[in-house]
Amino acid sequence: AQTVTQSQPEMSVQEAETVTLSCTYDTSESDYYLFWYKQPPSRQMILVIRQEAYKQQNATENRFSVNFQKAAKSFSLKISDSQLGDAAMYFCAYRNRDDKIIFGKGTRLHILP
Amino acid sequence: DTGVSQDPRHKITKRGQNVTFRCDPISEHNRLYWYRQTLGQGPEFLTYFQNEAQLEKSRLLSDRFSAERPKGSFSTLEIQRTEQGDSAMYLCASSLPRGQGIVEAFFGQGTRLTVV
Repeated sequence: AQTVTQSQPEMSVQEAETVTLSCTYDTSESDYYLFWYKQPPSRQMILVIRQEAYKQQNATENRFSVNFQKAAKSFSLKISDSQLGDAAMYFCAYRNRDDKIIFGKGTRLHILP
Repeated sequence: DTGVSQDPRHKITKRGQNVTFRCDPISEHNRLYWYRQTLGQGPEFLTYFQNEAQLEKSRLLSDRFSAERPKGSFSTLEIQRTEQGDSAMYLCASSLPRGQGIVEAFFGQGTRLTVV
């Protein structure tokens, strides 16, 4: 069975600085998808960024980018120019070949003004 | 399309009562997922569907939990004989299957259950 591990329960970053959230996963599959989701306090879960495992190029969405290391089974999220609105829980997620989606326990990100 | 809709948004029930939650997915999505989330934790997988077929149910889920998606559209999650430990946010999500473009799941706003 696949697992997703986020080893940083909480992180803080100064506004306008850069922060990296870590995620590792365990799988024997070669074809899968990885995601980072954001959940602001008391609000809906929304997608931040996605990565297809067959693509070597790291995904980028504006200030958000990933470092996908397939051999190491690592999928970190970098947030550049952090903004107050980035404060939230961030979840790493894995979608397997049967379309089951599982999540890590999350990292709570604080933005310091 | 208005996205994934869940009803009710909040439910307070007495221990031992049965509760049922509803999820309406995005109309063209044939994958539907249920998760349970407690405060400060990640979504815990409960079950998921392909159309009306339930593909997997978490082994951690007791027999008090059951989910259906009778016509491959909306889904219901029922909890029988609720316990205080069932208090949580119940999240529903839907997605397209592989090979049809957008691969991420879209979430509803959740149903917050409080068992007193």
